Amino acid sequence: NAGVTQTPKFQVLKTGQSMTLQCAQDMNHEYMSWYRQDPGMGLRLIHYSVGAGITDQGEVPNGYNVSRSTTEDFPLRLLSAAPSQTSVYFCASSRNRGQGTDTQYFGPGTRLTVL
Amino acid sequence: DAKTTQPNSMESNEEEPVHLPCNHSTISGTDYIHWYRQLPSQGPEYVIHGLTSNVNNRMASLAIAEDRKSSTLILHRATLRDAAVYYCILNGSGGSNYKLTFGKGTLLTVNP
Repeated sequence: NAGVTQTPKFQVLKTGQSMTLQCAQDMNHEYMSWYRQDPGMGLRLIHYSVGAGITDQGEVPNGYNVSRSTTEDFPLRLLSAAPSQTSVYFCASSRNRGQGTDTQYFGPGTRLTVL
Repeated sequence: DAKTTQPNSMESNEEEPVHLPCNHSTISGTDYIHWYRQLPSQGPEYVIHGLTSNVNNRMASLAIAEDRKSSTLILHRATLRDAAVYYCILNGSGGSNYKLTFGKGTLLTVNP
């Protein structure tokens, strides 16, 4: 299993540009999520999905869109990039058994810089 | 959401045991205590979790206080590869189990 994969690893955008961060998992996990991590901070939840066709907002959803058409993929779209979106983005997945024992698997991250 | 409190940083010497504390005084009865760690320039990785009893796995041990208001992650022999930020997170059930709340964690430095 490749686990959770993210592309690209690095990206530089200009203010106002749009782009999609890709995330895929091959573990047949129902739950997937996106976090951002700013320097010296913990991770903050952007959007999450409990299954194909179902998405919801996390703590910091503004400026981001998501969709979940398949179990495997959960892309994150930046509609009009802003310097405040400069961050490292992590995708995660887990089985969603609704239990506190569920553990999450994280991807390697995408480092995004918005000029 | 129940919160956790951890020291900002800790230091250890290689091959010595490390005890990383976490306070969670508002923990609910159904919250599991999870620990994740984040190595430099990598995504977080799961370390261990427990509910009431102490737990051991190949990576670490988790000691949980009898009143569950605190816990301690124990690395029995720290190596340089254990240098990371360690996060203590409460993971509940009933729909909140996937919304992990990450604080700033504890930055562990391991000296050779």
